[in-house]
Amino acid sequence: EAGVAQSPRYKIIEKRQSVAFWCNPISGHATLYWYQQILGQGPKLLIQFQNNGVVDDSQLPKDRFSAERLKGVDSTLKIQPAKLEDSAVYLCASSLEGAGYSNQPQHFGDGTRLSIL
Amino acid sequence: AQKITQTQPGMFVQEKEAVTLDCTYDTSDQSYGLFWYKQPSSGEMIFLIYQGSYDEQNATEGRYSLNFQKARKSANLVISASQLGDSAMYFCAMREGRRSGGGADGLTFGKGTHLIIQP
Repeated sequence: EAGVAQSPRYKIIEKRQSVAFWCNPISGHATLYWYQQILGQGPKLLIQFQNNGVVDDSQLPKDRFSAERLKGVDSTLKIQPAKLEDSAVYLCASSLEGAGYSNQPQHFGDGTRLSIL
Repeated sequence: AQKITQTQPGMFVQEKEAVTLDCTYDTSDQSYGLFWYKQPSSGEMIFLIYQGSYDEQNATEGRYSLNFQKARKSANLVISASQLGDSAMYFCAMREGRRSGGGADGLTFGKGTHLIIQP
């Protein structure tokens, strides 16, 4: 099966500019996650969707970050305006949902490496 | 307090030797899941192995096994007969709460261990 697709692979912008990332999950996966991975650290959850509804966005900096999953399939994550500390890899993941799927792992895309100048 | 602690920032191991990567966790939930992921220098996160809090047997997947000690809240990854291709970052992660038709279940990751296999 096709894996989680993300684009772009790399992005370089200046601070205060805006940027958007795209993610297409594995077919049939109802749950989609966005993580931020700063260099030298483990990924940190930003937001979780189930279908097109937000389940958890408690760690999303809502003053500058936004995300949507309008049709319950692909998703976009936006940063506006970007700050230097937003330099990181942004990972998208998806997983199966529902009772009996508690042991299912999250499958990750290759990520978007964002550099803020 | 950190929820996932990986105390080994880096490890050097000779090829063909067994490796143990340490992971301790902190949760008040009775139902939780523990995962190990491998992240090569290319950046992708590769799922290795899963252990559920109610699983009585230690999980195994090929050369990977998980030494689960619930009372000590530890979930160490053991790689048998290490290979050069095992060189990568390894992350321990936890999912808290029971999944049944929804609910927040994002993973909490540790800081990782950088494993280098030497020929």
